Amino acid sequence: DVKVTQSSRYLVKRTGEKVFLECVQDMDHENMFWYRQDPGLGLRLIYFSYDVKMKEKGDIPEGYSVSREKKERFSLILESASTNQTSMYLCASSLGQGVNEQFFGPGTRLTVL
Amino acid sequence: GDSVTQMEGPVTLSEEAFLTINCTYTATGYPSLFWYVQYPGEGLQLLLKATKADDKGSNKGFEATYRKETTSFHLEKGSVQVSDSAVYFCAHPYSSASKIIFGSGTRLSIRP
Repeated sequence: DVKVTQSSRYLVKRTGEKVFLECVQDMDHENMFWYRQDPGLGLRLIYFSYDVKMKEKGDIPEGYSVSREKKERFSLILESASTNQTSMYLCASSLGQGVNEQFFGPGTRLTVL
Repeated sequence: GDSVTQMEGPVTLSEEAFLTINCTYTATGYPSLFWYVQYPGEGLQLLLKATKADDKGSNKGFEATYRKETTSFHLEKGSVQVSDSAVYFCAHPYSSASKIIFGSGTRLSIRP
């Protein structure tokens, strides 16, 4: 069974803390994605990686960075968490080129106090 | 630019009712269209897709037809079940084929 796993289901952090969200996929996919999901806004792409050490900004990259040192792992970093980053964060992966199905993890609900 | 617009929820129906969730799109390339579903407490999963005009995608009793003339991809099911309660997202590729733009989601609740 193919899988995308995320390190935490729920996370509570304080304003100004550095936050790491980890995502691992076991499908040998080239592409990995980080989205945030907010009511009424659907999913918005934060960052996208199409290969190890390669990254591309999505639609809302401000306040976030990413790291992809290994093919199976894609990390989202909040350098200094703020309350407006309270959200559901979803990781996804897909095969390389072309239009391919994205496989999603269960999500991490982050609350920044 | 590319966009996906879907009907706002929540939508509440009784079991065995007919379902339609509307979706319209604007796309400058990459003609594929998708419906994803998110069950409570889970990530999204692909429900069905269509890769060109007039294609019909189907899965689990759900259907959607890619209508280029009306730029629509409405989701339908003839008889919904309580287990269909979820959030449904219409989506299509944009910018590069690997990236997908999602609609805002429609929450569906089915009463027994």
